[in-house]
Amino acid sequence: DADVTQTPRNRITKTGKRIMLECSQTKGHDRMYWYRQDPGLGLRLIYYSFDVKDINKGEISDGYSVSRQAQAKFSLSLESAIPNQTALYFCATSDPGTGLEKLFFGSGTQLSVL
Amino acid sequence: QQQVKQSPQSLIVQKGGISIINCAYENTAFDYFPWYQQFPGKGPALLIAIRPDVSEKKEGRFTISFNKSAKQFSLHIMDSQPGDSATYFCAANYNQGGKLIFGQGTELSVKP
Repeated sequence: DADVTQTPRNRITKTGKRIMLECSQTKGHDRMYWYRQDPGLGLRLIYYSFDVKDINKGEISDGYSVSRQAQAKFSLSLESAIPNQTALYFCATSDPGTGLEKLFFGSGTQLSVL
Repeated sequence: QQQVKQSPQSLIVQKGGISIINCAYENTAFDYFPWYQQFPGKGPALLIAIRPDVSEKKEGRFTISFNKSAKQFSLHIMDSQPGDSATYFCAANYNQGGKLIFGQGTELSVKP
């Protein structure tokens, strides 16, 4: 079983719709992240959370919101989807107690906004 | 503003050859430089990482070379194999754990 699970794997939606991408982890890590991957741009940080009560904006948070429901769950919402939010979205976790901090990624959600 | 610039965007290497991917950064406060490897349909996974107090780190066929004065670092894959075909991302951060700044990615194809 995957340590970091993202649902759904694929989603097609229409402009203006509200959608939620979900992430759950069994690694017991406090730190969770949402990244977006676009061809030619690499991965960019949308939001991150260092514990259940901590939520922080990343470099491209406009148009997105998050909820940290529990240590193991971190969801990403698009309140009103637009076509330029079409991308591959990744959830990740990390543990600061292991020296050089390592990100553990889920398998991603491919989102298409028509 | 791209704080970490990666090149080339794509790379084709023959089996047994050396693959070299380069990255340059701007922020001298960066103190951690990892490389991630991503196979199709999968999330990126940490391959190798270096801190700026050393100039080179080697793990098997993978080596990071680091030039602090030039603000550049590179990944060398020796004896490249078809199984190394993947997208590679360099990254950097400072003091903030997983808050990584990623490069644009390099799609590596190793031909048999």
